[in-house]
Amino acid sequence: DTGVSQDPRHKITKRGQNVTFRCDPISEHNRLYWYRQTLGQGPEFLTYFQNEAQLEKSRLLSDRFSAERPKGSFSTLEIQRTEQGDSAMYLCASSPQTRHGEQFFGPGTRLTVL
Amino acid sequence: AQRVTQPEKLLSVFKGAPVELKCNYSYSGSPELFWYVQYSRQRLQLLLRHISRESIKGFTADLNKGETSFHLKKPFAQEEDSAMYYCALFTNAGKSTFGDGTTLTVKP
Repeated sequence: DTGVSQDPRHKITKRGQNVTFRCDPISEHNRLYWYRQTLGQGPEFLTYFQNEAQLEKSRLLSDRFSAERPKGSFSTLEIQRTEQGDSAMYLCASSPQTRHGEQFFGPGTRLTVL
Repeated sequence: AQRVTQPEKLLSVFKGAPVELKCNYSYSGSPELFWYVQYSRQRLQLLLRHISRESIKGFTADLNKGETSFHLKKPFAQEEDSAMYYCALFTNAGKSTFGDGTTLTVKP
């Protein structure tokens, strides 16, 4: 296990298309988080799973965003009808059942919407 | 609402000099504060947690609830400390707020 992995690492899409990203957490971690990061800013919380349950979701997340973690292992983040403002780095992190702040981050998926 | 402010976007010091990266927060509950670091071409990683009051790579950070601050300090900066540093606040519900980061450059 080499840590949290994300796929793809880069995605270029046209406005209006749907995109899906995948995150594989560290295997023994039951908590998984998604963030969005734009240039010059820190990671912005999107959503949090404990096992397969989505327990928190940012109000910033519009209806075009959805995340799943069907079996409590990997997670997917889908963006429907992408807009240019969705261009960002999407980060995934996982943590064990200790403290939420002790997170292990993936390398991120960079999305560019043309 | 919770907020984390890192007032300095850029900080430059000479090797061997002391360094302090500032972090101020606002949160109505009991905060859990952390420092994360991102070295060039590496992923974001945990540096320090306030609860453990530890020293990692010579860095320390003290939570000052009166001043609502969690500044990161190191008495003698090294070139390998050059990186982006983020202060982050976590709630026990799993939500987090990160500051916008401070880029530290340690000059030889």
